Amino acid sequence: DSGVTQTPKHLITATGQRVTLRCSPRSGDLSVYWYQQSLDQGLQFLIHYYNGEERAKGNILERFSAQQFPDLHSELNLSSLELGDSALYFCASSVVEGAGNEQFFGPGTRLTVL
Amino acid sequence: AQSVAQPEDQVNVAEGNPLTVKCTYSVSGNPYLFWYVQYPNRGLQFLLKYITGDNLVKGSYGFEAEFNKSQTSFHLKKPSALVSDSALYFCAVRPRTGANNLFFGTGTRLTVIP
Repeated sequence: DSGVTQTPKHLITATGQRVTLRCSPRSGDLSVYWYQQSLDQGLQFLIHYYNGEERAKGNILERFSAQQFPDLHSELNLSSLELGDSALYFCASSVVEGAGNEQFFGPGTRLTVL
Repeated sequence: AQSVAQPEDQVNVAEGNPLTVKCTYSVSGNPYLFWYVQYPNRGLQFLLKYITGDNLVKGSYGFEAEFNKSQTSFHLKKPSALVSDSALYFCAVRPRTGANNLFFGTGTRLTVIP
């Protein structure tokens, strides 16, 4: 158990809908990262937050957004969902930015868009 | 652009034999290097990392990895494979400057045959 929690574990929804994925980092970790894992794209970085501030964006679609709250939990919002958004979404956390700190991954949320 | 290559989609090895999972990278500077393992329906678990120093890094569950700067490789090794090592292995890199996210390889599925 990495100490990173994600809810829900599974999510099934329809095209055009909006969903929110939630992540709680390990106690004391200030950085939260979101990654998408799909069969065709592999593991791709979406966005990084540090202590409530957005730090970096990767291949995140404009339909997707995220935020990190004062209690350090983070939410990833996916809207106008398309079939291709079906994937496993991981959240990871680390203590601080920089250095060689490893990231600890949550169990993921499996999103299925029908 | 950063890239990580895991040239083998699948590696099969007999239980008790040594295993190697290959990883090469193309990243500016001297990146931080990581290996993660993913078991079915689970998140990624950190195995080991290379930051600096000795080229042979020891990690969890008896795994080790050898950093080779001239070949820009970071191969994962284990002297004696266990059936329970069967999983999906990801190599990841993080540049020492710039964004803190990880860039992942495409993964290698390791199957240890009893």
